[in-house]
Amino acid sequence: EVQLVESGGGLVQPGRSLRLSCAASGFTFDDYAMHWVRQAPGKGLEWVSGISWNSGSIGYADSVKGRFTISRDNAKNSLYLQMNSLRAEDTALYYCAKDWATVTTPTFDYWGQGTLVTVSS
Amino acid sequence: QSALTQPASVSGSPGQSITISCTGTSSDVGGYNYVSWYQQHPGKAPKLMIYDVSNRPSGVSNRFSGSKSGNTASLTISGLQAEDEADYYCSSYTSSSTLKVVFGGGTKLTVL
Repeated sequence: EVQLVESGGGLVQPGRSLRLSCAASGFTFDDYAMHWVRQAPGKGLEWVSGISWNSGSIGYADSVKGRFTISRDNAKNSLYLQMNSLRAEDTALYYCAKDWATVTTPTFDYWGQGTLVTVSS
Repeated sequence: QSALTQPASVSGSPGQSITISCTGTSSDVGGYNYVSWYQQHPGKAPKLMIYDVSNRPSGVSNRFSGSKSGNTASLTISGLQAEDEADYYCSSYTSSSTLKVVFGGGTKLTVL
């Protein structure tokens, strides 16, 4: 059974940093691209970042480019999102999502339950 | 990048069919056959319903179908059932200096 378990969310002050993690199991992690998708309270889905199977291709939404860094450790079956210079508008539920391909596509066949990030003073 | 455009809400009665549109540009929906659709019930994670414009993952009802014409993709749900009431999101590649993914703003489906 595919499982994606996010962690690392919490309350953080504007301008500070936070690192999210996603522990994957139930599939061959290094065969697939992975993504972070967020959803602000009461709002729609927003793609944040994606990374190919070997970290050779990485993309970011304009809203986070230069502040967030996606990475993966295939040996640990884990995906990460380093979030710096956090803003109030980054407040959201952050989902880890598995791509169905080795490279990034808009097809996410499995999702975690999300970890909540709240940016507030 | 701008979000794809979806109607905020649609509604239909049980047994009827509805269609949700997803309008983009030649840089996203119109430029790639990589449009996906997701269903999200309140408090739940999204679920993949359609990929590559018109393909259904295993386990998804054949009442769900997808299509595309030009810069607009569509999700059609036939034989509406109460459990179809949810939010629906489209997604697509969008090309700029690097490949990215963009979602639509979401459509709330109400089954009357």
